[in-house]
Amino acid sequence: EPEVTQTPSHQVTQMGQEVILRCVPISNHLYFYWYRQILGQKVEFLVSFYNNEISEKSEIFDDQFSVERPDGSNFTLKIRSTKLEDSAMYFCASSAGVETQYFGPGTRLLVL
Amino acid sequence: GDSVTQMEGPVTLSEEAFLTINCTYTATGYPSLFWYVQYPGEGLQLLLKATKADDKGSNKGFEATYRKETTSFHLEKGSVQVSDSAVYFCALSEPSNQAGTALIFGKGTTLSVSS
Repeated sequence: EPEVTQTPSHQVTQMGQEVILRCVPISNHLYFYWYRQILGQKVEFLVSFYNNEISEKSEIFDDQFSVERPDGSNFTLKIRSTKLEDSAMYFCASSAGVETQYFGPGTRLLVL
Repeated sequence: GDSVTQMEGPVTLSEEAFLTINCTYTATGYPSLFWYVQYPGEGLQLLLKATKADDKGSNKGFEATYRKETTSFHLEKGSVQVSDSAVYFCALSEPSNQAGTALIFGKGTTLSVSS
């Protein structure tokens, strides 16, 4: 069964450093998403992406965040200058259309 | 804004016990409602969904009914198994013909089933 994959599974970085989280969506899907979950809190929407542009973003998704689909398979989330409060589990998801979003296993980011 | 509230966990049950995980929502329109499940070490998987009032979503013995009058979507299972141990998330999305619409999640409820 097709699935969304994410790398790395865990990442530790120093405050102020840039990180890139990678996702490979399901191959025939056209809509891509990033969510995050700070420990003990809700899963929060960050951004959705379609046709090489952002279709919706939350207040969390400020100028330090960016997304890109650099090739036909990868979908990345970049955090330019990480802060302690960026420590969270980051989930990528994809969908074929307006129906079900399929999620990856997540990347646990720890900012020290 | 829209929000989802689900019961705090953890929920600890013995095998074959009845499960209820409460979920209520606040929305301006008529959202679609979802339950996702996360097994240890895996991603979020869609368990069931309902798109309009009085719809019942069901899958793997789990059920939830979209109750507009009580703005609820409680998850139930008649007889849980050890393999049901996971974190369960209630979520909503506002109806839209445009994909890319955000899911709004509750905090998640951890279920632990012992044999």
